[in-house]
Amino acid sequence: KAGVTQTPRYLIKTRGQQVTLSCSPISGHRSVSWYQQTPGQGLQFLFEYFSETQRNKGNFPGRFSGRQFSNSRSEMNVSTLELGDSALYLCASGDGTARKQFFGPGTRLTVL
Amino acid sequence: QKEVEQNSGPLSVPEGAIASLNCTYSDRGSQSFFWYRQYSGKSPELIMSIYSNGDKEDGRFTAQLNKASQYVSLLIRDSQPSDSATYLCAVIPLGMKLTFGTGTRLTIIP
Repeated sequence: KAGVTQTPRYLIKTRGQQVTLSCSPISGHRSVSWYQQTPGQGLQFLFEYFSETQRNKGNFPGRFSGRQFSNSRSEMNVSTLELGDSALYLCASGDGTARKQFFGPGTRLTVL
Repeated sequence: QKEVEQNSGPLSVPEGAIASLNCTYSDRGSQSFFWYRQYSGKSPELIMSIYSNGDKEDGRFTAQLNKASQYVSLLIRDSQPSDSATYLCAVIPLGMKLTFGTGTRLTIIP
């Protein structure tokens, strides 16, 4: 089976702009979770989607949003970018039982 | 108190020795426990999962779980330089979202 794919792999944006990141889970997996990873904070949970419904949400401002499509692909959007949003954004695919999750390669976002 | 706590390290272990990584968690109702390995600049890779008390072995890796003490550990036998990485402990508490510790950086010294 192909693994989790994320696009784009790298992004450079300026403050105030918005960005959309995409994630395609492992075939057959219906759960997609998003994480932000920074050197200071480690891996922080953003949200989880299962069958197009948000199942869990982390403690991030409303500028961070997501959605999941009927084919399980997911997108994450960040509006009004801030310098502190610079991070590695990771998507993880699961079989929906909230147990094992498998990570994609990540999108490295730099906000200037 | 953090939900999942790990010693950040760095932990240095000679090649061929046993590396021991530890993790404690706060939610007594947690049911699922995982260890991920993350190489610098890469994404986390799942290496072990454990769900019941006791030991689970997979090759050179052994995960140990003690729910009464809220403690999970990872042992790496015959450590190799390629084992040098950050090891992340992850737990699924009653809130049902995978929660990570901050990771322990392991260095294997040739």
